[in-house]
Amino acid sequence: NAGVTQTPKFQVLKTGQSMTLQCAQDMNHEYMSWYRQDPGMGLRLIHYSVGAGITDQGEVPNGYNVSRSTTEDFPLRLLSAAPSQTSVYFCASSYSGTGKPQHFGDGTRLSIL
Amino acid sequence: EDQVTQSPEALRLQEGESSSLNCSYTVSGLRGLFWYRQDPGKGPEFLFTLYSAGEEKEKERLKATLTKKESFLHITAPKPEDSATYLCAVTTDSWGKFQFGAGTQVVVTP
Repeated sequence: NAGVTQTPKFQVLKTGQSMTLQCAQDMNHEYMSWYRQDPGMGLRLIHYSVGAGITDQGEVPNGYNVSRSTTEDFPLRLLSAAPSQTSVYFCASSYSGTGKPQHFGDGTRLSIL
Repeated sequence: EDQVTQSPEALRLQEGESSSLNCSYTVSGLRGLFWYRQDPGKGPEFLFTLYSAGEEKEKERLKATLTKKESFLHITAPKPEDSATYLCAVTTDSWGKFQFGAGTQVVVTP
């Protein structure tokens, strides 16, 4: 049982490039989320999904796209990378229902030059 | 606008020196408040869920409490292995949507 797996662990991009951060979970969780974590700002929600085919915006969605075609996978796409998107990105998943905690991956450290 | 504020930003403790971390929130319709622990280079790890004012949860040296406006995480007789960043998060309109505070970085020295 691998839990939440994020790839890659590290990535350096040039401004304007696009890329996809991968997230997969093997716990059959209905809910999945993407966060970014910047120094002093905690975790900020980018997009989340309550099931396959259903996604919604979080607090900071601009510049990011998501889709959820399967229960297991929730990729995050950067359309045209900007230096302001330099951050650590975390994916999380949880069961639906009252009070179910999120399980997090170990993050993708992304630098945009 | 919903807000979650944690204080202090950083806390340095001697081993055995008990203290408390604060998470204050201004949200409409709190469904649940969560505490997580985050070690450097890792994702957050779940500690507790609290649902209503007056509720308390304990795990080893940690105890979380909840009032109508804030939550406290009490660390009793901490050990160096309790050094981490502690995050609180709330859910309001959906169990799939969380809002996190900025965290409190705790360092416990021998």
